[in-house]
Amino acid sequence: QSALTQPASVSGSPGQSITISCTGTSSDVGGYNYVSWYQQHPGKAPKLMIYDVSNRPSGVSNRFSGSKSGNTASLTISGLQAEDEADYYCSSYTSSSTPVFGGGTKLTVL
Amino acid sequence: EVQLVESGGGLVQPGGSLRLSCAASGFTVSSNYMSWVRQAPGKGLEWVSVIYSGGSTYYADSVKGRFTISRDNSKNTLYLQMNSLRAEDTAVYYCARDFVGGLGAFDIWGQGTMVTVSS
Repeated sequence: QSALTQPASVSGSPGQSITISCTGTSSDVGGYNYVSWYQQHPGKAPKLMIYDVSNRPSGVSNRFSGSKSGNTASLTISGLQAEDEADYYCSSYTSSSTPVFGGGTKLTVL
Repeated sequence: EVQLVESGGGLVQPGGSLRLSCAASGFTVSSNYMSWVRQAPGKGLEWVSVIYSGGSTYYADSVKGRFTISRDNSKNTLYLQMNSLRAEDTAVYYCARDFVGGLGAFDIWGQGTMVTVSS
């Protein structure tokens, strides 16, 4: 199973909104509403931010939102804050009954 | 407190073996779908293996036939037996709970344990 495609980096200024894309195929992103997003700060374990395309776990800020159109899922962060600077990974359930991750996107808050 | 604590990482020679452990507290391993996810130095996340609550197991093609996932219900612990290790297996290994039943939503992660395969 090939990794999902994410941009290597995105950036934004405090208060702005940014969107990170995650492109797969009809065998993963496009075929199931089981896309998750993770935030990872350096040296730390990943943290679940979004699951099932657009659901937020308890305790995750509503500045984080997810969506999907066709084979591409997106994570939007509004009201960008300094602490949002991190690596972000998408993942999707696949037709192989296993998950696959994206390559990761480094978010820089300018 | 709900948490996962990995152990067992270290330096091993190519072709060697290592067993990783992941002790859970605050929830029952056998009632959940549990996975191992790894991250090579400076690289992204790679899913490695899952064990379903019913006992079924799945593996990434890169480790199939070399790694075995298992659990000990009495110890509430998850394991990853790694044989025939290669340099490309060098990574931080995380255990994680998939709370929506094997669909790839990992809500609890351990702190990770480093495995280095080198001569």
